[in-house]
Amino acid sequence: DADVTQTPRNRITKTGKRIMLECSQTKGHDRMYWYRQDPGLGLRLIYYSFDVKDINKGEISDGYSVSRQAQAKFSLSLESAIPNQTALYFCATSESRGFEQYFGPGTRLTVT
Amino acid sequence: QKEVEQNSGPLSVPEGAIASLNCTYSDRGSQSFFWYRQYSGKSPELIMSIYSNGDKEDGRFTAQLNKASQYVSLLIRDSQPSDSATYLCAVTRGAGSYQLTFGKGTKLSVIP
Repeated sequence: DADVTQTPRNRITKTGKRIMLECSQTKGHDRMYWYRQDPGLGLRLIYYSFDVKDINKGEISDGYSVSRQAQAKFSLSLESAIPNQTALYFCATSESRGFEQYFGPGTRLTVT
Repeated sequence: QKEVEQNSGPLSVPEGAIASLNCTYSDRGSQSFFWYRQYSGKSPELIMSIYSNGDKEDGRFTAQLNKASQYVSLLIRDSQPSDSATYLCAVTRGAGSYQLTFGKGTKLSVIP
């Protein structure tokens, strides 16, 4: 089945460390997104990419960076993790002419 | 700030009843509307999309859209305990946008 995968699924890291979350998809979709979800705050868009050469900031990009290595791979980096980046992180994909977004299983990140 | 508002719940309904979930949005330019189901600790799963005023039915689910009132709803007929989850409303950010704004979700509990 065409799918969206995320690695790692769980990560505990310390303040100040650099970490990378990875997303891969076999759906053949051009568009990829990174969200974080916090209790009481809902899903918020961090970055999105419409193709390999097109990367855009979302509403909460500060403290994050991304890399689109290929059509199927989109990575999120925290350059220097801080405790308020503790959250559930989701990758999502969509077709180039579609509005529906399909989510990966998520990465639970804890920054101590 | 464009917003999507949902009653956080919890909404409790008996098994076999109709569950009614509501969502209002502030951006009059929004054109595409979605309902996602999210089980605790899992990723959002797309269950309905609606693009034009009126009703759209898919099995036990009916989405209703009223653009004039900026209102979207989801009806779940013959509710089952397996429907117990948080339901997220999402709308596109203005005309032609592929970005989604999510509501914070309504938690539904179906009581056997």
